[in-house]
Amino acid sequence: SQQGEEDPQALSIQEGENATMNCSYKTSINNLQWYRQNSGRGLVHLILIRSNEREKHSGRLRVTLDTSKKSSSLLITASRAADTASYFCATDPQGGSEKLVFGKGTKLTVNP
Amino acid sequence: NAGVTQTPKFQVLKTGQSMTLQCAQDMNHEYMSWYRQDPGMGLRLIHYSVGAGITDQGEVPNGYNVSRSTTEDFPLRLLSAAPSQTSVYFCASSRGQGGHQPQHFGDGTRLSIL
Repeated sequence: SQQGEEDPQALSIQEGENATMNCSYKTSINNLQWYRQNSGRGLVHLILIRSNEREKHSGRLRVTLDTSKKSSSLLITASRAADTASYFCATDPQGGSEKLVFGKGTKLTVNP
Repeated sequence: NAGVTQTPKFQVLKTGQSMTLQCAQDMNHEYMSWYRQDPGMGLRLIHYSVGAGITDQGEVPNGYNVSRSTTEDFPLRLLSAAPSQTSVYFCASSRGQGGHQPQHFGDGTRLSIL
């Protein structure tokens, strides 16, 4: 069953704007990861944030994690047309199950 | 380095046929896994392996078989294809424990069952 649920399901913005995607999950986690998937391609890892971390940055990406609310957000600043893709969160549930559980994704369209 | 390589990229099968989806990685990763991606469903784990000779079931294992005889290869077998198995299949690999590490994905096999 799906652990993470992204919100919104789809997002359309103009180049230069910021894009924020949210992920909510149900059970306690060891870490949470964000991935990007371009059309027709495999997923590409963006950021991993551990349960004892609250915020991480990578270039134009900023990820926050609130374990008390069981939620995470991915912020892409100054978006570009090349950021058009689907974005997925994936959680590593506590319990040592060796399984990464993916959400259904947010489809981001950045219009030039 | 090629990373994770999946073959074939596309395949059309008839109901009842069997086939093997190939996955190979050249990063010496212990952990490998297979997912299927269906519209509106995200990625669902089929089978995974924590090392050569060790495999286990994921969320949707029925109708699929795997083996891991080498570190590099993790083939997925469809025993008797059904239309419900029409999907895009992704193989992934990582160091160490699967959930604790970033996953490296192949570009997928697009499979249609008629």
